[in-house]
Amino acid sequence: AQSVTQLDSQVPVFEEAPVELRCNYSSSVSVYLFWYVQYPNQGLQLLLKYLSGSTLVESINGFEAEFNKSQTSFHLRKPSVHISDTAEYFCAVSETSYDKVIFGPGTSLSVIP
Amino acid sequence: NAGVTQTPKFQVLKTGQSMTLQCAQDMNHNSMYWYRQDPGMGLRLIYYSASEGTTDKGEVPNGYNVSRLNKREFSLRLESAAPSQTSVYFCASCLGSENEKLFFGSGTQLSVL
Repeated sequence: AQSVTQLDSQVPVFEEAPVELRCNYSSSVSVYLFWYVQYPNQGLQLLLKYLSGSTLVESINGFEAEFNKSQTSFHLRKPSVHISDTAEYFCAVSETSYDKVIFGPGTSLSVIP
Repeated sequence: NAGVTQTPKFQVLKTGQSMTLQCAQDMNHNSMYWYRQDPGMGLRLIYYSASEGTTDKGEVPNGYNVSRLNKREFSLRLESAAPSQTSVYFCASCLGSENEKLFFGSGTQLSVL
């Protein structure tokens, strides 16, 4: 069965500094990978996804993630964070098109002015 | 465009009481999911339904039952609530054709005393 590890439960970072949120997964087959974001008191929203093709995927608000099959990782990065990026970030994995989607425990990103 | 609608938004139960959380989506999605969110544990999958007429256990199914009433509706039932079921519950849906993004409801905050 697949599982997701997010080693950092909390990441404080100063505004305009770069950030990397780590995600590792375990699976014996090909996977689909996702990053979701949850702003305070809201539901989850998809940030970006990897289904196939280019291993580097980008979101519209400056985040990017790179799928690394050999390291079974899908780390999320942003070169310069803003106050508005303060949120909980969840990495998720799915093994097949119709399969369950499993989430990691989440990383709380706090951007400090 | 309602998306995924969950009811109720808040609920307080006494230990041993039963209740059903309702979820409906108007996007003609095939797959529907129930998650619970607890601090430090992220979202854990309770049950999912890949298509109308099918349901499968997720990571934490004990103490819950589900019904995929039709393509639109997917309900979650707690037969005998326990304090350990105090959590925020999220319903989600997905088209299912290539595990595209999950659309989440706004959540139900459940407290079991």
